Amino acid sequence: DAKTTQPNSMESNEEEPVHLPCNHSTISGTDYIHWYRQLPSQGPEYVIHGLTSNVNNRMASLAIAEDRKSSTLILHRATLRDAAVYYCIREGGSEKLVFGKGTKLTVNP
Amino acid sequence: GAVVSQHPSWVICKSGTSVKIECRSLDFQATTMFWYRQFPKQSLMLMATSNEGSKATYEQGVEKDKFLINHASLTLSTLTVTSAHPEDSSFYICSARVAREYEQYFGPGTRLTVT
Repeated sequence: DAKTTQPNSMESNEEEPVHLPCNHSTISGTDYIHWYRQLPSQGPEYVIHGLTSNVNNRMASLAIAEDRKSSTLILHRATLRDAAVYYCIREGGSEKLVFGKGTKLTVNP
Repeated sequence: GAVVSQHPSWVICKSGTSVKIECRSLDFQATTMFWYRQFPKQSLMLMATSNEGSKATYEQGVEKDKFLINHASLTLSTLTVTSAHPEDSSFYICSARVAREYEQYFGPGTRLTVT
């Protein structure tokens, strides 16, 4: 049980921002939210993680709702290399990552 | 950044034989390693969690006698698929984690084809 809900697919245009939503309405107070992405025939790659506050790093930003029941991964300027499956994962301290189906992001040139 | 390697990157074996896949953390010591399996067009499925020097913890439904995991050092974990059958054909991915860090570092995966 992945315990998160994401759209199956999204499309974006190159150099435009992308907002990837994730619903985790049953999240508990100590669960972290992790985002990973996977390019075809490769292992996943860490993108970002957060607990309560919004987070920024060189790859993306993570906006977490005040009630923590949802979050949004923001890619500020999509490139063709950002085309991948993006996974939003709840992790409750067990270190285990349970992957759901993720969102397949297509970036149009 | 931290690098995890897997060997081999792909392997073809005959039904009934065993195959060993290695997972190495190249520039860090991993307190915990994980093994996943991914079938075509599906998501990753966690198979087992492995800590150095102790027995692996398998997820429900994963046969521990079929998928042997050895974590001999802080930089090496191996997965052996014993008596492989065509239904074991899959993409096997390992990941490694350092204590007190939240990020998991994934290997590039090993594609196993059983004929």
